[in-house]
Amino acid sequence: ETGVTQTPRHLVMGMTNKKSLKCEQHLGHNAMYWYKQSAKKPLELMFVYNFKEQTENNSVPSRFSPECPNSSHLFLHLHTLQPEDSALYLCASSQGGPQETQYFGPGTRLLVL
Amino acid sequence: GENVEQHPSTLSVQEGDSAVIKCTYSDSASNYFPWYKQELGKRPQLIIDIRSNVGEKKDQRIAVTLNKTAKHFSLHITETQPEDSAVYFCAATPKYNFNKFYFGSGTKLNVKP
Repeated sequence: ETGVTQTPRHLVMGMTNKKSLKCEQHLGHNAMYWYKQSAKKPLELMFVYNFKEQTENNSVPSRFSPECPNSSHLFLHLHTLQPEDSALYLCASSQGGPQETQYFGPGTRLLVL
Repeated sequence: GENVEQHPSTLSVQEGDSAVIKCTYSDSASNYFPWYKQELGKRPQLIIDIRSNVGEKKDQRIAVTLNKTAKHFSLHITETQPEDSAVYFCAATPKYNFNKFYFGSGTKLNVKP
């Protein structure tokens, strides 16, 4: 279960704070993803990176800003979030696009006060 | 875009019985249908997937069937065991945009010993 790691595991932030979530994959994959998992809602794909290039942004508000400095690391920068942004944020990676097996990280549980 | 509906939202079965979870999709161009299992407090993990060029795929006690005409696919678990208790998510990806990935809302399966 160490193929995809995420830090921090838990985060509490105020609406005016700036924080960043980090994801690292040790599987040699070329694609990385950010998902949002809220209670009673489907997993929502937020961003897709393929070979460090962002290939998808699913209408995510600009208060979420992704960064992929290399194929192994993915960040999600958070700025002036709203309470409804409280959720579990999951990172995943795959060799190839979403039509290959995605390996998920443990997630960051975010609470926005 | 794609719309994936999943039923039932909760399912309770006796150990040893079979469980069936159904998903429907709206985009006839979708061609990849994975199933992910998420145990309580853990990350989602791929358990089986099917592509649109086959109608059925089996892996030990789990099987997935696909009906392209009716645009639905199902997960079948036979001889259920308590460790099968988890939330199961179906998903679909349209072939015209492999960066799109749509999950169903999940089915919470409870296997009673």
